[in-house]
Amino acid sequence: AQSVSQHNHHVILSEAASLELGCNYSYGGTVNLFWYVQYPGQHLQLLLKYFSGDPLVKGIKGFEAEFIKSKFSFNLRKPSVQWSDTAEYFCAVNDGTGGFKTIFGAGTRLFVKA
Amino acid sequence: GAGVSQTPSNKVTEKGKYVELRCDPISGHTALYWYRQSLGQGPEFLIYFQGTGAADDSGLPNDRFFAVRPEGSVSTLKIQRTERGDSAVYLCASSPSGPSYNEQFFGPGTRLTVL
Repeated sequence: AQSVSQHNHHVILSEAASLELGCNYSYGGTVNLFWYVQYPGQHLQLLLKYFSGDPLVKGIKGFEAEFIKSKFSFNLRKPSVQWSDTAEYFCAVNDGTGGFKTIFGAGTRLFVKA
Repeated sequence: GAGVSQTPSNKVTEKGKYVELRCDPISGHTALYWYRQSLGQGPEFLIYFQGTGAADDSGLPNDRFFAVRPEGSVSTLKIQRTERGDSAVYLCASSPSGPSYNEQFFGPGTRLTVL
């Protein structure tokens, strides 16, 4: 069965600090990978996704993630965070051969101090 | 509407009662998903519809949970004989056909509290 592990439940950073949120998944086949974000008081929304091709994926608001197949990882990064990045971030995976059942990690709450 | 809508936004019920939660997806989206999110956890997959049919209901925890999408648009999640452990936020998402088929658009959720 697929599973997703997010290493940090809570992260506190100062503005302009660099961010890296860890995500590892367990699934032996082809995968689609996602990062979703939930800003305070808002719905979950897609931040970025990997289906195939270039393993370095760029998303909205300066975020990027790198798929490392050998490590079953899809870590999220941002070189310089802003106060407005305060949110909860969820890593998710589904079967890349056409499956729609999506498995989410437990989430990482990021708080950025102004 | 422009986004996925869910009603009610909050539902408080007593143990043993029956509840229905409604999801109105983005117009034209063919796929519809239900998730349950408990405090401190990520969304937990319940069921996914492609059109009117439930393509994958492997996440439904037991036979007290049932979902329908009779006309391929609005969906209703039905929970019978509610238990306190059913308390959670129930999320609905929809996705289009075509190249963005795997991009899910989420609604605001229904917060269910079973007393």
